[in-house]
Amino acid sequence: AQTVTQSQPEMSVQEAETVTLSCTYDTSESDYYLFWYKQPPSRQMILVIRQEAYKQQNATENRFSVNFQKAAKSFSLKISDSQLGDAAMYFCAYNTDKLIFGTGTRLQVFP
Amino acid sequence: NAGVTQTPKFRILKIGQSMTLQCAQDMNHNYMYWYRQDPGMGLKLIYYSVGAGITDKGEVPNGYNVSRSTTEDFPLRLELAAPSQTSVYFCASSPDRSYEKLFFGSGTQLSVL
Repeated sequence: AQTVTQSQPEMSVQEAETVTLSCTYDTSESDYYLFWYKQPPSRQMILVIRQEAYKQQNATENRFSVNFQKAAKSFSLKISDSQLGDAAMYFCAYNTDKLIFGTGTRLQVFP
Repeated sequence: NAGVTQTPKFRILKIGQSMTLQCAQDMNHNYMYWYRQDPGMGLKLIYYSVGAGITDKGEVPNGYNVSRSTTEDFPLRLELAAPSQTSVYFCASSPDRSYEKLFFGSGTQLSVL
């Protein structure tokens, strides 16, 4: 079965510091996509970053980057220079033909 | 450009009642999805559609029905509401299967009492 596991229900970080959110997944597929979504209190789901499994290079979007370890089936999100607006639920998701979500990590950012 | 519009935002149902959650998108996307999000959990796929007239079951379809008569609209029907259907429901659309551009509505908070 395809599963996505986020082992950190909650994380906290001080403003301007760096935080890493963990995600592991289980699949027998070789070609797939991985995503991190942000869900602020408004409940809107916002795509943060996307990684294609066949690309070895880790994806980066401004302050957000991933550490993709295909053999270990690990896909962590690093947020650098954390800002108060980064506070939200973060969901890791895996896709072949359907999008499978993890249970989420709540990130708190302290001034 | 409104994106994905869901109505209503909040609803309380009594056990056994029925209702339809509306979803409309104005981006001409072929792919549309319904998810539910239970407290402390990720999103679970209920139903999806790859185009007008084509729908298919997701992970948790029991107790729900959908239709896709137009590209724009993808309503979700709850028949005989049960407390287990208390959840937040999200509609989403995308232009293709890559999920690179997946647009979510703002969600519907449904309580069944």
